[in-house]
Amino acid sequence: EAQVTQNPRYLITVTGKKLTVTCSQNMNHEYMSWYRQDPGLGLRQIYYSMNVEVTDKGDVPEGYKVSRKEKRNFPLILESPSPNQTSLYFCASSPRADTQYFGPGTRLTVL
Amino acid sequence: EDQVTQSPEALRLQEGESSSLNCSYTVSGLRGLFWYRQDPGKGPEFLFTLYSAGEEKEKERLKATLTKKESFLHITAPKPEDSATYLCAAYPGSQGNLIFGKGTKLSVKP
Repeated sequence: EAQVTQNPRYLITVTGKKLTVTCSQNMNHEYMSWYRQDPGLGLRQIYYSMNVEVTDKGDVPEGYKVSRKEKRNFPLILESPSPNQTSLYFCASSPRADTQYFGPGTRLTVL
Repeated sequence: EDQVTQSPEALRLQEGESSSLNCSYTVSGLRGLFWYRQDPGKGPEFLFTLYSAGEEKEKERLKATLTKKESFLHITAPKPEDSATYLCAAYPGSQGNLIFGKGTKLSVKP
């Protein structure tokens, strides 16, 4: 089944404790992206990647890192999480950059 | 600045009561207009892509249309299972990201 998977689905952590949210797709898509979704603000792009080893900032990249060493994986790294990064995070992939297919989401709480 | 605005923010319908959701965009060089459905706590589910003014796409009770300034998602005789948040997004093509509206939350009562 063609899908985008994210792990973990739920995470509660404390300020400053490094964490990684994994994202994997099995559709051989070149384009992958991370979004955060907050009430009243909608979906905002954090980082995107047009291909392996190619990443670029989206609208809200501060406090996040990404890497794209393999085509199928695009992990999101929070090196020192803060409470304002509490949010619902979505990974997406696309054969190009237009029609994007989203993962199930990761709900992150930073205390 | 590229922008996508959806209206209304929320819409409550009775089952069978047809209506339309609006997506206005100011995007230079639009390369695509997308509609997604999102259920609470889940990832957005792709519905339609529209590429040029005058284009229409249909799926069950939903029909999406596109003009040079806006897109409409028409819902004909909705059912309670159509209740969800509907997101509109524009792709300018000049950069690698979709620009999302904030969504319209649709509630359909039996």
